[in-house]
Amino acid sequence: DPKIIQKPKYLVAVTGSEKILICEQYLGHNAMYWYRQSAKKPLEFMFSYSYQKLMDNQTASSRFQPQSSKKNHLDLQITALKPDDSATYFCASSHIQDTQYFGPGTRLLVL
Amino acid sequence: QQKVQQSPESLIVPEGGMASLNCTSSDRNVDYFWWYRQHSGKSPKMLMSIFSNGEKEEGRFTVHLNKASLHTSLHIRDSQPSDSALYLCAASMGTGGADRLTFGKGTQLIIQP
Repeated sequence: DPKIIQKPKYLVAVTGSEKILICEQYLGHNAMYWYRQSAKKPLEFMFSYSYQKLMDNQTASSRFQPQSSKKNHLDLQITALKPDDSATYFCASSHIQDTQYFGPGTRLLVL
Repeated sequence: QQKVQQSPESLIVPEGGMASLNCTSSDRNVDYFWWYRQHSGKSPKMLMSIFSNGEKEEGRFTVHLNKASLHTSLHIRDSQPSDSALYLCAASMGTGGADRLTFGKGTQLIIQP
C-alpha cells in the first residue's frame, strides 16, 4: 500500500488557471514538505511544515500556497499558473530531522 | 551558484565495476548529507545518509564524509544494471526541525551490461 499519496498523478492546466495538488501521508510523520523538479532545475525545496505549522519557505511567489487541513495532509494551491510552473511536484514527509520519504509526484503541465 | 555540487554529471560503468560519485557543499552551515537514488519516472528514494566524519558501509554501497571540506562520496561496488539511475546528493543543516534538503543536480549513472 502506498504510504504517501499524491493526487492527481498527471495534471494539464491552462495559463492563468488555479490548481490544487493533494498530498496525504500514512507514515505517522510530523513533518511534511513540498519539492519541485523540472528539466531546467534540480530538485528544489519549496515549503516545510511541522505539526501543521509553516517552518520554512523557499518559494518567492505568493502564487504558491500550502494548506494543511489535517496533520497528515499538506496540499499545495497554485494560482495564476504559468508555463514555467510546469514540473513534477513531490510531497515528502519525515519524523523531525530524519529521513525524508518522497511521494510518487504530480506531473503538472501548463499550456 | 549551486550550493551542492555533484560530479561527474554522468558516468558509465561496466556491470560488476565500481562507481564513484562525488558531492561538495559550499554552505558551511551544513551538518548532514544524504544520498538519494531516482530511477527514471520515479520519485527519489533515500539510499544512505552520513553525519559524522569517516565511512559507512551498507551492502554494496559505501559513503565517505570529510566534514572539514564538506565533501562526501558514494561508491557502489559490483554495479548492477538496476543501479542505473540519477543519484542525488542532498545537504541539510540539522537545526532540529523540519530541515530543508538542498539537492545537487545529480549524477546520471549508467551500468553497461
